[in-house]
Amino acid sequence: KAGVTQTPRYLIKTRGQQVTLSCSPISGHRSVSWYQQTPGQGLQFLFEYFSETQRNKGNFPGRFSGRQFSNSRSEMNVSTLELGDSALYLCASSLGGLANTGELFFGEGSRLTVL
Amino acid sequence: GESVGLHLPTLSVQEGDNSIINCAYSNSASDYFIWYKQESGKGPQFIIDIRSNMDKRQGQRVTVLLNKTVKHLSLQIAATQPGDSAVYFCAENPNSGGSNYKLTFGKGTLLTVNP
Repeated sequence: KAGVTQTPRYLIKTRGQQVTLSCSPISGHRSVSWYQQTPGQGLQFLFEYFSETQRNKGNFPGRFSGRQFSNSRSEMNVSTLELGDSALYLCASSLGGLANTGELFFGEGSRLTVL
Repeated sequence: GESVGLHLPTLSVQEGDNSIINCAYSNSASDYFIWYKQESGKGPQFIIDIRSNMDKRQGQRVTVLLNKTVKHLSLQIAATQPGDSAVYFCAENPNSGGSNYKLTFGKGTLLTVNP
């Protein structure tokens, strides 16, 4: 079955702009998590959605937001972009039920460059 | 805990040798741990996991060891192959008893396998 799909794969924005990234989870998966990956900070948790509700949130400013749709697809938005937002944004999906194994299936990521 | 420097720890091995990648985790309350492999240009890929009620778990060519006393995790790869070259991350989930996907990732170790 198809894996986690993220779009766009690459994008370039300028400071002050906003960006929306999209993630389609594996069919049947109801949990979608977002992570930011940078060389300096590594992989950092942004937020997790389950059944259209944000269930967990990391320590990022309010400029970072997300949502999940009824078909489990998710989007994240970053407003008022800063140079430091340049990163690989990874989406991961999982079944999301109480029998959580923690196994996340990651997409290839969206590489954001802020100029 | 993990190094917070900009440079990844590196491990270089010869093809056919065994590799051992180490990880120090930070949260003594964590009771679920995962190893991920990330190849260049790809998202992290699940390798193996272990719960805190175990101290060893084996997969295909991989073994994870957990030492809760010193909060240390290791990944052993047997008969390392060039295709094993990647960055390896350990991750901990401090709330595995519930539906919580807020993983904390280590900084990663770059494994290079020389043919």
